[in-house]
Amino acid sequence: DADVTQTPRNRITKTGKRIMLECSQTKGHDRMYWYRQDPGLGLRLIYYSFDVKDINKGEISDGYSVSRQAQAKFSLSLESAIPNQTALYFCATSDPSSGQGPDTQYFGPGTRLTVL
Amino acid sequence: GQSLEQPSEVTAVEGAIVQINCTYQTSGFYGLSWYQQHDGGAPTFLSYNALDGLEETGRFSSFLSRSDSYGYLLLQELQMKDSASYFCAFSGYSTLTFGKGTMLLVSP
Repeated sequence: DADVTQTPRNRITKTGKRIMLECSQTKGHDRMYWYRQDPGLGLRLIYYSFDVKDINKGEISDGYSVSRQAQAKFSLSLESAIPNQTALYFCATSDPSSGQGPDTQYFGPGTRLTVL
Repeated sequence: GQSLEQPSEVTAVEGAIVQINCTYQTSGFYGLSWYQQHDGGAPTFLSYNALDGLEETGRFSSFLSRSDSYGYLLLQELQMKDSASYFCAFSGYSTLTFGKGTMLLVSP
């Protein structure tokens, strides 16, 4: 079974709809992240959380919100989706004690979101 | 501000050696990482350099020069399956900042 899972894998929605993307992990990591990827722009950080009580904005948090329901679950919400939020969204986890660098991250398979 | 620069695309043939360069600008730096991403798939960790010098992992090596704010990923004995996008990323105070990626195309 995959260590980091994301649901749904694909979603098509309409402008103005509320959307929630979910991420679950079995790695036991405290740190979790949400990124979006657009062609030619790399991965950009939306929000991150270092434990259940810690939520931080990333580079591009406007239009998004998150919820850390448990150590293993981190959800991303688009309160009112707009077309320029069409992108590939990745969840990731990290463990600074892993010995591979303090921020080495393990990514889920991604959610492809299309906003019409 | 913080930024990373890497070439957008590199081409090479099977069996060859290719180097993907990465230069960065940041006020807080702990190390440079490299990730591989096959088309539409999840990025996967390749290597991390905290100190200057070369780190080798099988066919892949990564180099860092902190004084030059520069690093590279070296791929040897290229295989078709190495066709992918490669991202450099630096570790700041608490998060990773990624470059825009280099698409490597390996031809027979």
